[in-house]
Amino acid sequence: ETGVTQSPTHLIKTRGQQVTLRCSSQSGHNTVSWYQQALGQGPQFIFQYYREEENGRGNFPPRFSGLQFPNYSSELNVNALELDDSALYLCASYRPNTEAFFGQGTRLTVV
Amino acid sequence: QQQVKQSPQSLIVQKGGISIINCAYENTAFDYFPWYQQFPGKGPALLIAIRPDVSEKKEGRFTISFNKSAKQFSLHIMDSQPGDSATYFCAARMDSSYKLIFGSGTRLLVRP
Repeated sequence: ETGVTQSPTHLIKTRGQQVTLRCSSQSGHNTVSWYQQALGQGPQFIFQYYREEENGRGNFPPRFSGLQFPNYSSELNVNALELDDSALYLCASYRPNTEAFFGQGTRLTVV
Repeated sequence: QQQVKQSPQSLIVQKGGISIINCAYENTAFDYFPWYQQFPGKGPALLIAIRPDVSEKKEGRFTISFNKSAKQFSLHIMDSQPGDSATYFCAARMDSSYKLIFGSGTRLLVRP
């Protein structure tokens, strides 16, 4: 049990739609990162938020956006979904100078 | 320069045997190297981690060996058990960032 909860666990969307994925972190975890894990691959860094500000971004287009809230929850939003966006989306949260705790992920299928 | 290369892609080991997974990196600014274990339908869970000022770290049946000059590190699982069957990822990070760069993963199957 990592204390990081993601919802929903599974989701099916149609190409072109928009999706919002949610993550609830432990109290005091003021940094959250989001990763995309395609089938059979390692997780790829999407972006990171610290104290509600984005402070790092991987090689993902602007249609991937996020929010972090004061209650240690966060969202990943993806607009104009493409078939290649089908993946497991992972949220990881941290206290300063501690390890990353990953949630169980949201499996997104785009059809 | 940001890549972490992991091998083998898959590994089959008999119960009680030693599982060895290797990783290599290019960016000498990386200064933290964790290994994660992932079961189907779950997120990655930290197994063990090392910093480059140490050549070896052991926790129970899991050992990381680190070769700074070769820019390589490896995970050894001693006395492998069927419950160890999972996908293992090496990763690297710069202390100035929480961003983890993951390897491509190794699917380990431990046969009874």
